[in-house]
Amino acid sequence: NAGVTQTPKFQVLKTGQSMTLQCAQDMNHNSMYWYRQDPGMGLRLIYYSASEGTTDKGEVPNGYNVSRLNKREFSLRLESAAPSQTSVYFCASSPQGISYEQYFGPGTRLTVT
Amino acid sequence: AQSVTQLGSHVSVSEGALVLLRCNYSSSVPPYLFWYVQYPNQGLQLLLKYTSAATLVKGINGFEAEFKKSETSFHLTKPSAHMSDAAEYFCAVRLNYGGSQGNLIFGKGTKLSVKP
Repeated sequence: NAGVTQTPKFQVLKTGQSMTLQCAQDMNHNSMYWYRQDPGMGLRLIYYSASEGTTDKGEVPNGYNVSRLNKREFSLRLESAAPSQTSVYFCASSPQGISYEQYFGPGTRLTVT
Repeated sequence: AQSVTQLGSHVSVSEGALVLLRCNYSSSVPPYLFWYVQYPNQGLQLLLKYTSAATLVKGINGFEAEFKKSETSFHLTKPSAHMSDAAEYFCAVRLNYGGSQGNLIFGKGTKLSVKP
């Protein structure tokens, strides 16, 4: 099993450009998440999808959109990138069940100039 | 509201010394708590979790954590540090209410350095 995969690994954008970060999991998990990680801030939830067909805002959703394409895939879109969106983005997935532990992808390092 | 506080953004220990990383939580209901580790340029990996069974939880790589309700703490320990333990460690609490049930709230992280 590959677990959670993310593409691309690195990306540089100019202010105003758009892009989509891709995430896929092969563990048959119901829930998927997008986080951003900034130095000294820990991980902050951008959007999540509790199950296929549903998406909800997290702590820092402004400037982002998401699509839960199917049970495996959950994409994050930046419509008009800003320097404040320079960050490392992590996708995670979680099975249903009492422990709700999350499994993380390797991350995408995004720089907006 | 539920929250997590990690005391100390940076901890430095000598190889072979005790590792103690502190985490305090705030929760009005019995919490589910997690410790994750992040090695440089990698994603987060689950170290251990507390789900209201035993209060002393053993994880991977020799780490363990003790849930203390009276102190609202879930500190991470390892008796003897190894150079390979150098990483950033995150404590997290699972939300237990409403539509956000299942989401995790993370602390800001503690970077562990191990000196030879």
